[in-house]
Amino acid sequence: RKEVEQDPGPFNVPEGATVAFNCTYSNSASQSFFWYRQDCRKEPKLLMSVYSSGNEDGRFTAQLNRASQYISLLIRDSKLSDSATYLCVVPSGTYKYIFGTGTRLKVLA
Amino acid sequence: EAGVAQSPRYKIIEKRQSVAFWCNPISGHATLYWYQQILGQGPKLLIQFQNNGVVDDSQLPKDRFSAERLKGVDSTLKIQPAKLEDSAVYLCASSLGGAKAFFGQGTRLTVV
Repeated sequence: RKEVEQDPGPFNVPEGATVAFNCTYSNSASQSFFWYRQDCRKEPKLLMSVYSSGNEDGRFTAQLNRASQYISLLIRDSKLSDSATYLCVVPSGTYKYIFGTGTRLKVLA
Repeated sequence: EAGVAQSPRYKIIEKRQSVAFWCNPISGHATLYWYQQILGQGPKLLIQFQNNGVVDDSQLPKDRFSAERLKGVDSTLKIQPAKLEDSAVYLCASSLGGAKAFFGQGTRLTVV
């Protein structure tokens, strides 16, 4: 299994839809995970952390499944402005983090 | 609060030429990262500094790439000589130590 793996997409969804992405990781000892958002031709920006108990921020929910070694990001009531690439970040050593290749989301009017 | 500053924003060079990128991290951030992002891929870590010491440079092509952070603040990344496959966006990021890294706008390098 790769250190971190994401479905590149694109996920094309209508406005208002709910969409979920998964990100699998190989290091079972990993503790901290993150989701970043990257708009076209822009730098990645931290979207949210992923805690063992899950994390919710408005329309966004991040969850961790340690048994199956994946993290997920759920977006409810999708907006056009949610169109972006979503990168998962997995720890790999002391203060070393690996980025996934990203999942591209297109929200359609 | 000022963000991570990078320059230049864009650079076009011929293969075999040299190029250097500069990064000024957020004030107080001890950890500085250089990433290479090729179109359609996620950022790939090239080198990580903790203050002015190298923590990880395992994926830095050391025959042509070099980086330094002499005073533990700003940093430069150099490529000499450049190859066509070095065309990418070079992102600098800084953090207080965790993955909550803040990125600069990047330098888009085109090698022709």
